Amino acid sequence: GDSVTQMEGPVTLSEEAFLTINCTYTATGYPSLFWYVQYPGEGLQLLLKATKADDKGSNKGFEATYRKETTSFHLEKGSVQVSDSAVYFCALSDPRSSTLGRLYFGRGTQLTVWP
Amino acid sequence: NAGVTQTPKFQVLKTGQSMTLQCAQDMNHNSMYWYRQDPGMGLRLIYYSASEGTTDKGEVPNGYNVSRLNKREFSLRLESAAPSQTSVYFCASRLAGANTGELFFGEGSRLTVL
Repeated sequence: GDSVTQMEGPVTLSEEAFLTINCTYTATGYPSLFWYVQYPGEGLQLLLKATKADDKGSNKGFEATYRKETTSFHLEKGSVQVSDSAVYFCALSDPRSSTLGRLYFGRGTQLTVWP
Repeated sequence: NAGVTQTPKFQVLKTGQSMTLQCAQDMNHNSMYWYRQDPGMGLRLIYYSASEGTTDKGEVPNGYNVSRLNKREFSLRLESAAPSQTSVYFCASRLAGANTGELFFGEGSRLTVL
């Protein structure tokens, strides 16, 4: 079945460091891929998405490229800030899923950025 | 912009008690979802409602019931709470027809069952 595997955390970085959070997926069809972010005490919100192979999603300095050949969607940011401290979730949506619009989530990666 | 509103935000129950989590969205979305979030487990789908008048089980429905009261509201009921239901519950909604998969989430309801 469909699933998402993302690197375990927590990840701790200094401000301005480079960030990579790995995400790989398993899907039988051609899923859409997402990164959601959860700030402390809040619900999840969409950070970026890509709907087909080789698409690059980007937002707030974060980027991720949909790589079908490696079934990956790694999240990157060139220079993190303290305000980026949050939990990041990789997710996929399979258009063939019987649960219309259902997202399959990874377990989440806690990022802490120190000044 | 209210978006998705959940109540209550915090609740403590004793084993065997019942309660209902309320969720309302003001974005005219067709589909609504209930997820639970547990440490190291990500989010798991409990129930969903693809459209008004329909509900279906997700991957962890046992111990829960839902009601899609109207297009705006989707409630989650625990009939006899168990400690294993201690979790953070998120309601989400989505505009059907656009399979971008983007869900809009509420702020969560933290439930503790003693």
